Amino acid sequence: SQKIEQNSEALNIQEGKTATLTCNYTNYSPAYLQWYRQDPGRGPVFLLLIRENEKEKRKERLKVTFDTTLKQSLFHITASQPADSATYLCAPRGTGNTPLVFGKGTRLSVIA
Amino acid sequence: ETGVTQSPTHLIKTRGQQVTLRCSSQSGHNTVSWYQQALGQGPQFIFQYYREEENGRGNFPPRFSGLQFPNYSSELNVNALELDDSALYLCASSLDSSNTEAFFGQGTRLTVV
Repeated sequence: SQKIEQNSEALNIQEGKTATLTCNYTNYSPAYLQWYRQDPGRGPVFLLLIRENEKEKRKERLKVTFDTTLKQSLFHITASQPADSATYLCAPRGTGNTPLVFGKGTRLSVIA
Repeated sequence: ETGVTQSPTHLIKTRGQQVTLRCSSQSGHNTVSWYQQALGQGPQFIFQYYREEENGRGNFPPRFSGLQFPNYSSELNVNALELDDSALYLCASSLDSSNTEAFFGQGTRLTVV
C-alpha cells in the first residue's frame, strides 16, 4: 500500500536559517506533489504544487524539489522567521481526480 | 478565507450516538473530500465525492458515510460513535483535477465521551 513518510515529527531551527523538510513515498508513482501548511486547530493551507516533470519550484522564500527516482520531495524555507512555525504536510497525488493523501507532517519551530 | 465553511466548529457526543457534520464548498467545486485528523497526526482520508457520487474511500468502516448535494454542500455522518472517533474533521473542496489545490474548511472538533 502507499506509504508517505515525512522525515521527522518536529524540527527546530534558528531564525534566519534555511529549514529543509523531507517527504518520501513508496509503492506510489505520483504525477504531482503538493505541500500544505497547517496551524494548530486550523485546516491545511495550500503552498506549492510540483509536477513529476519539474525538478524544482519556487515561490518567494519557499522552494520545492521533486526527485521521482529517489521518490522524494524536499521543501525548503529560506531566511526562516518565527511566523513560519507550523506543521507542514506533503501530499503526493496521481493523475485524474485522485484523492489527496497526506503524510503525518513535520512540525517546524523557528526560534528567534 | 478559503470559501469553505464547516459546522459546527465544536461538538460533544456520547459513545453510541450518531453525528452529522456539514460542509459548504466553494461554488463551482465539484469535488469534496473529508478527512479525520487525530491530535499530532496528519489528516487521514475518509472519502471523496465527485458530482454527488463517492469516487474514493480510505480505510474507514461503513459507519462513516457521506452525501454531496447539488448546491456544493456535503455531509459526513458517523454512526455508533466510538471514543476513538474523537478528532478534528476537515472537509476540502477542489476542482475535478489532480493538478489543482484543495481548499480546506476550519474543521469540526468532535469529542466523544
